[in-house]
Amino acid sequence: NAGVTQTPKFRVLKTGQSMTLLCAQDMNHEYMYWYRQDPGMGLRLIHYSVGEGTTAKGEVPDGYNVSRLKKQNFLLGLESAAPSQTSVYFCASSYRLAGGRNEQFFGPGTRLTVL
Amino acid sequence: AQSVSQHNHHVILSEAASLELGCNYSYGGTVNLFWYVQYPGQHLQLLLKYFSGDPLVKGIKGFEAEFIKSKFSFNLRKPSVQWSDTAEYFCAVITGGGNKLTFGTGTQLKVEL
Repeated sequence: NAGVTQTPKFRVLKTGQSMTLLCAQDMNHEYMYWYRQDPGMGLRLIHYSVGEGTTAKGEVPDGYNVSRLKKQNFLLGLESAAPSQTSVYFCASSYRLAGGRNEQFFGPGTRLTVL
Repeated sequence: AQSVSQHNHHVILSEAASLELGCNYSYGGTVNLFWYVQYPGQHLQLLLKYFSGDPLVKGIKGFEAEFIKSKFSFNLRKPSVQWSDTAEYFCAVITGGGNKLTFGTGTQLKVEL
């Protein structure tokens, strides 16, 4: 099992450019999440999905869009990149378990720099 | 909204020293608690978790944590740290039976030889 994989690992964009980050998981997890990690701020939830075809906003959704067309994939899009979106992006997935007992499994991250 | 506080942002210890990292959360209902570790250049890995039952939970690599409901705390401990424990440690909580993790800001631990 590959677990959670992310593509690409690194990317440099110019302000105003667009890009899509791909997350894939092979654990048949229902839930998938996108976080950004910034120094001194921990991980903050951008968007998440509780199943194929569904998405929901997290704590910091502005400037990002997501899609979950297939259960195993969760895409994060930046339509017009800004320097404030320079960050490390992590994808995670989990089973749907009752009572919030959802241990999340994380991908290796994508380091994005916006110039 | 719930929040998680990690008061120690940077900790430096010598090998074999004991470790305790603080974690407090603000939520009065049911909580599920987690500690994750991020080694340099790597992704987050689960150290341990608490859902219910014995408030003292043991995780991987000799780590343990104690849930004290009255103090809204879930502190991480290790009796004797090793150089390989150098990493960033994150406390996180799921509240009210939901599905979203709220993370603390992390504690950077450096263990010196």
